[in-house]
Amino acid sequence: GQNIDQPTEMTATEGAIVQINCTYQTSGFNGLFWYQQHAGEAPTFLSYNVLDGLEEKGRFSSFLSRSKGYSYLLLKELQMKDSASYLCALNAGNNRKLIWGLGTSLAVNP
Amino acid sequence: DGGITQSPKYLFRKEGQNVTLSCEQNLNHDAMYWYRQDPGQGLRLIYYSQIVNDFQKGDIAEGYSVSREKKESFPLTVTSAQKNPTAFYLCATMEQGSYNEQFFGPGTRLTVL
Repeated sequence: GQNIDQPTEMTATEGAIVQINCTYQTSGFNGLFWYQQHAGEAPTFLSYNVLDGLEEKGRFSSFLSRSKGYSYLLLKELQMKDSASYLCALNAGNNRKLIWGLGTSLAVNP
Repeated sequence: DGGITQSPKYLFRKEGQNVTLSCEQNLNHDAMYWYRQDPGQGLRLIYYSQIVNDFQKGDIAEGYSVSREKKESFPLTVTSAQKNPTAFYLCATMEQGSYNEQFFGPGTRLTVL
């Protein structure tokens, strides 16, 4: 079967760096998404990793290790507006469905 | 502007009433999805449709129904059979041939009193 695991909650300080981990088990793998979701709003796309390695996009970076079933989202120079839920999602099959993690709620404190 | 519209943002209904949530898109995307999200939870798939006049059950379809008569529209009906309908409902779309990125509407928060 398919399974995704993320920490439920994290806290960090404004200006710091935080790493949000996502581990998964799946028989098929096409890629892994990270989405950001502010409370009461829609998820928005952050990144998509297909190959192993780190992809950097401004203050946000995403890493993937396919052999280890592991990804992380790295947020640098944290700002208060980064307080949100971060969802990890697997693109695992040919049926055009995503498998969603439960999300990590990040609180950024001053 | 291209986008996904869900209306209304907030919806209140009495217990025992059916209610239909709208989802309209002008992105020309083929696939559309309905998710339910409860506080502190991830997204759970209710129904999805990959093409007009066809749809499939997701993980929690019981108590819900959908139709896909037009490419642009994918309404979700929450029936009285749904035991715990109060939740945040999100509609999403996906473009054919894409790498499966999903685009989301703003969501409807349904409260059943």
